[in-house]
Amino acid sequence: QSALTQPASVSGSPGQSITISCTGTSSDVGGYNYVSWNQQHPGKAPKLMIYGVSNRPSGVSNRFSGSKSGNTASLTISGLLAEDEADYYCSSYTNSSTLVVFGGGTKLTVL
Amino acid sequence: EVQLVQSGAEVKKPGESLKISCKGSGYSFSNYWIGWVRQLPGKGLEWMGIVYPSDSDTRYSPSFQGQVTISADKSFTTTYLQWSSLKASDTAMYYCARLGVDNSLAYWGQGTLVTVSS
Repeated sequence: QSALTQPASVSGSPGQSITISCTGTSSDVGGYNYVSWNQQHPGKAPKLMIYGVSNRPSGVSNRFSGSKSGNTASLTISGLLAEDEADYYCSSYTNSSTLVVFGGGTKLTVL
Repeated sequence: EVQLVQSGAEVKKPGESLKISCKGSGYSFSNYWIGWVRQLPGKGLEWMGIVYPSDSDTRYSPSFQGQVTISADKSFTTTYLQWSSLKASDTAMYYCARLGVDNSLAYWGQGTLVTVSS
């Protein structure tokens, strides 16, 4: 069982918006503004899409946005494209010795 | 340019030992934590543990404590993940990733596929 809880799957049609949630505790998501989101396409290494809750690395589309409320962080993808179909993983800093906790991942299907 | 380059795919038999590597370049290697991530076939990412090359401070997730050894050699700017006795259940893709000052995993290795089969 992963430390952070994500829905197993979400889906949306091209052009629509979807939101993926990531729920933790006050020891990780709720206690620090260090939530990140990584995208992984099949057979590829993960790619950072959001860091520090809501910041986009250079080159990441502004269709991707992040937010946080309490112990739950969210990733929103607007204007869905077929290429957004992938697995998405949240991660957070944690005050445990391992420093990082992952979510179980969410499979996004673009219908 | 920051790069993490991992060693190649391995095929091993149960009970054998293995050490895979992740070589960092393009940044101050000693000053960033490097973590290892397991991905079982068709499954999600699992955080195994992390090492700080400057002083070799190493931490393990509970599920992996005692199962693997993570180390770093700053003179070779390389981190390692090793097993003393592989099991079939260790068959997976393994990634290394650098932890940034913002606690994000912006840089990943390309992955090392480990297959353990008799």
